[in-house]
Amino acid sequence: DAGVIQSPRHEVTEMGQEVTLRCKPISGHDYLFWYRQTMMRGLELLIYFNNNVPIDDSGMPEDRFSAKMPNASFSTLKIQPSEPRDSAVYFCASSPQGNSNEKLFFGSGTQLSVL
Amino acid sequence: GENVEQHPSTLSVQEGDSAVIKCTYSDSASNYFPWYKQELGKRPQLIIDIRSNVGEKKDQRIAVTLNKTAKHFSLHITETQPEDSAVYFCAASPGSARQLTFGSGTQLTVLP
Repeated sequence: DAGVIQSPRHEVTEMGQEVTLRCKPISGHDYLFWYRQTMMRGLELLIYFNNNVPIDDSGMPEDRFSAKMPNASFSTLKIQPSEPRDSAVYFCASSPQGNSNEKLFFGSGTQLSVL
Repeated sequence: GENVEQHPSTLSVQEGDSAVIKCTYSDSASNYFPWYKQELGKRPQLIIDIRSNVGEKKDQRIAVTLNKTAKHFSLHITETQPEDSAVYFCAASPGSARQLTFGSGTQLTVLP
């Protein structure tokens, strides 16, 4: 298993541009999470899905952020328009159902820089 | 909601010495306490976890202890090696990944 796959690894964009981050969870995992990591705020949960359905998006900072999961093997996090304060590492993670559903498997992250 | 505090924020030890990182939590309903290790530029990875029905768990050079009464848990690394240098995150949950609350992280540096 290749693990959770994220793309791109690095994204540099200008303020006001749209940014789309992508994630492929581990096959068979029913939960998918989007986290943001910054020095100031650490690891913050933005949103999570269960069986492709968004369950809790209370961590999404603003309406500029949106996330979708059109199928069990793909999710996107979109920022439109992007701002310099959105610069961070964005991690996608997945976890299985059942007894191990508390274990998170992280992707390699996307380093986003908004200039 | 849950609040997890982690100390210290940075820790330097000599190679071969022990390192201890401590976390406290606020929600008595929390019953699952994982520790994640994040090497520079890499993803966080689970290294050890403990449930509230256990007081201590060991895996080779790492161990985690839990004091439910005091609501704190600790990570112990013995015989530290340079490859132990990383950021370590504690977390607490009432039982599922969707409810994990992370601590702020500890940057551990093992000096050769």
